[in-house]
Amino acid sequence: DAKTTQPNSMESNEEEPVHLPCNHSTISGTDYIHWYRQLPSQGPEYVIHGLTSNVNNRMASLAIAEDRKSSTLILHRATLRDAAVYYCILRAHYGGSQGNLIFGKGTKLSVKP
Amino acid sequence: DAGVIQSPRHEVTEMGQEVTLRCKPISGHNSLFWYRQTMMRGLELLIYFNNNVPIDDSGMPEDRFSAKMPNASFSTLKIQPSEPRDSAVYFCASSLGGGYQETQYFGPGTRLLVL
Repeated sequence: DAKTTQPNSMESNEEEPVHLPCNHSTISGTDYIHWYRQLPSQGPEYVIHGLTSNVNNRMASLAIAEDRKSSTLILHRATLRDAAVYYCILRAHYGGSQGNLIFGKGTKLSVKP
Repeated sequence: DAGVIQSPRHEVTEMGQEVTLRCKPISGHNSLFWYRQTMMRGLELLIYFNNNVPIDDSGMPEDRFSAKMPNASFSTLKIQPSEPRDSAVYFCASSLGGGYQETQYFGPGTRLLVL
């Protein structure tokens, strides 16, 4: 699977927007961009995913660059509950691993009240 | 839905003992995954099953580790004999399928400490 690069940590203030970047310069044409997050002492949870177009759901928005070499997860109003490690993951469209999740180190987001 | 259920939530054992971790996937899901998380190595996929059949066990560290899925609603991960370096949080996850878009739902994890 293609690899991703994320900042180790980021800080945000409560109720402000947060933009979490992810670089994936070697992404292939059929790789989907997935985001998961892991709250303290919990298992990872799905946040959002996309292929080419920007995506929105109740948790976040995903902005994908036109060349698909980078993407940004946007939390519109950070809350204390959003403090977590955020993982940007590329999932293969096909292959022996059938698109298994491969977690990197992620970005640890801290939210200040 | 209760989500993915794992037991025990915490396990402390002594080196050399057998450890069995249990997982109940979400009803109707046909893929199940076991992960291990440590500070040094992060989250690693150990093995995954599709329709109760092991598909990829290339992440299983060594022969001391074994996993089974006797039916669609139950899986075990066994370590025998356990060693201190097996101390980690073990997560089980399930999904509706094994495809590239399928969301994986994780359990709360089992925190294992081997003394």
